[in-house]
Amino acid sequence: GAVVSQHPSWVICKSGTSVKIECRSLDFQATTMFWYRQFPKQSLMLMATSNEGSKATYEQGVEKDKFLINHASLTLSTLTVTSAHPEDSSFYICSPSGPQIGQYFGPGTRLTVL
Amino acid sequence: KQEVTQIPAALSVPEGENLVLNCSFTDSAIYNLQWFRQDPGKGLTSLLLIQSSQREQTSGRLNASLDKSSGRSTLYIAASQPGDSATYLCAVPNNAGNMLTFGGGTRLMVKP
Repeated sequence: GAVVSQHPSWVICKSGTSVKIECRSLDFQATTMFWYRQFPKQSLMLMATSNEGSKATYEQGVEKDKFLINHASLTLSTLTVTSAHPEDSSFYICSPSGPQIGQYFGPGTRLTVL
Repeated sequence: KQEVTQIPAALSVPEGENLVLNCSFTDSAIYNLQWFRQDPGKGLTSLLLIQSSQREQTSGRLNASLDKSSGRSTLYIAASQPGDSATYLCAVPNNAGNMLTFGGGTRLMVKP
């Protein structure tokens, strides 16, 4: 199956810090990248969808200026949580997708904001 | 807008029991349905994918069924083991087939 990596897998930061999460599809080209977050004991919630080379589309209630998404290449996408606050603490999961490939999921990044 | 619901939200059973997890969806025009497993603090692992033309899929002790007309799917786990303890999620794609909507998940605990 397809290999997807996320880095870092776990990060703790102080309130006000910006954190960048990388997602790489190691053996396929992802034309679309989905970013999800998951709060404790809840299911995954889609945050945004981005197509390579285009601006991301954000779901209702997700601040685009706070969660910056870059999808500059077919194998790399980044999510930057700007000026993180404790309520941003969550499990962030990327999901690269491509035509006839289906949808795969990264291992997730656990963000804890103190 | 597609809505996916899973019942029960949590389940605790003794080892060895056969169990059924339920998933329902409001829009029956789906391409497929997937069942995932998620261990605490981990990403998702795909368990089974049922195409819209199929009625069930089997993998080891897992069997997933799909009834599109009634908007339901079940995941049957035979002879449950403590290692099956995890959260199980079902998901269906949107009309373009490129984005998944997830159910709330069922948290399963299998006691030794």
